[in-house]
Amino acid sequence: GENVEQHPSTLSVQEGDSAVIKCTYSDSASNYFPWYKQELGKRPQLIIDIRSNVGEKKDQRIAVTLNKTAKHFSLHITETQPEDSAVYFCAVSGGYNKLIFGAGTRLAVHP
Amino acid sequence: NAGVTQTPKFQVLKTGQSMTLQCAQDMNHEYMSWYRQDPGMGLRLIHYSVGAGITDQGEVPNGYNVSRSTTEDFPLRLLSAAPSQTSVYFCASSYSWRRDEKLFFGSGTQLSVL
Repeated sequence: GENVEQHPSTLSVQEGDSAVIKCTYSDSASNYFPWYKQELGKRPQLIIDIRSNVGEKKDQRIAVTLNKTAKHFSLHITETQPEDSAVYFCAVSGGYNKLIFGAGTRLAVHP
Repeated sequence: NAGVTQTPKFQVLKTGQSMTLQCAQDMNHEYMSWYRQDPGMGLRLIHYSVGAGITDQGEVPNGYNVSRSTTEDFPLRLLSAAPSQTSVYFCASSYSWRRDEKLFFGSGTQLSVL
């Protein structure tokens, strides 16, 4: 089955710096790649997603890039703010919304 | 719209007890699913449903049963609770199963099995 690896597990940055989280996957048939943000004690919420026919997608300070050949995709957060502090999960699906999640990255943004 | 509603928020069980985690959505979503979240392991899919009367297994289905008698409700049953089932459980739904898209999560149920 699909295997998703996410790195790093923890990330600490200064406010205003950029943060990058990378995920690799194993199934070349996977075609949907969302990122979810989970604040402490809260539910996961979708922040951005990308499909296999697109190489990059941007939404304000957040961007996702996909390299299907290498089977990896990354989340980029620019000009980080303290409210970006949370756990971020990548996920992969090959259909039926059956998401396989990475283990998560705990991002801490220090003022 | 209440979105996805889960009850209870917290539950403590003894080994061997049974219980049902409730999940309801009021968005007329076709697709509903259950995930468990354990530290350092992300979220793992337990069971999912693409419509009333249709369910299937996810990554970690053992020890759990589901049914979907209506579009709105998707309960998760633990038949004989074990300490390994201590976890946070999330119900999630989306409008359609035909296209991968945004999942709406409930607020979660924190379950402890002693």
